[in-house]
Amino acid sequence: DAKTTQPNSMESNEEEPVHLPCNHSTISGTDYIHWYRQLPSQGPEYVIHGLTSNVNNRMASLAIAEDRKSSTLILHRATLRDAAVYYCILRDNTGTASKLTFGTGTRLQVTL
Amino acid sequence: DTGVSQDPRHKITKRGQNVTFRCDPISEHNRLYWYRQTLGQGPEFLTYFQNEAQLEKSRLLSDRFSAERPKGSFSTLEIQRTEQGDSAMYLCASSFWRSSYNEQFFGPGTRLTVL
Repeated sequence: DAKTTQPNSMESNEEEPVHLPCNHSTISGTDYIHWYRQLPSQGPEYVIHGLTSNVNNRMASLAIAEDRKSSTLILHRATLRDAAVYYCILRDNTGTASKLTFGTGTRLQVTL
Repeated sequence: DTGVSQDPRHKITKRGQNVTFRCDPISEHNRLYWYRQTLGQGPEFLTYFQNEAQLEKSRLLSDRFSAERPKGSFSTLEIQRTEQGDSAMYLCASSFWRSSYNEQFFGPGTRLTVL
């Protein structure tokens, strides 16, 4: 799986939007962009994924650059419960995709 | 459905002892994964099963590690002759494999401390 680069940490105020960036300049045409997050003392949980178009779900939005070399996870209104480590992961879609290759992620702090 | 469960949640052992962890996946999921996570790092892949077949093993999985999924349901991860470097959180995940993507659902993990 191709490598991703994320900032080590970010801070946000509660109720404000948060934009978490991810660079993946070596992404291949068959790679999907996945985001997982890990709340304190829990296993990771799926957030969202996309290929080329921007995606929205109940948790977040994913904005993908036109050249696909970067993406941004958007939390529209951060809450204290969103404090977690967010991982951006590329996964091949050729049908053999199995493991998730995690980096060190971005630790998001949310303050009142 | 109660999600992925792991047992025990915590294990303290002395160096040289053997330990075994259990993972119960979500019932209809045919893929099961094991990961290891050390402090400040993201989880690292160890191995995965599709049904009862072990399809991939990481080079991190030394000869002291063995995983089984005998009937394609629960899985066990055994570490023989534990070393202090084995201290970590061991995470299990499961998924229902489809060709597009397969979201992995993680359990709470088993924290191993080797003294």
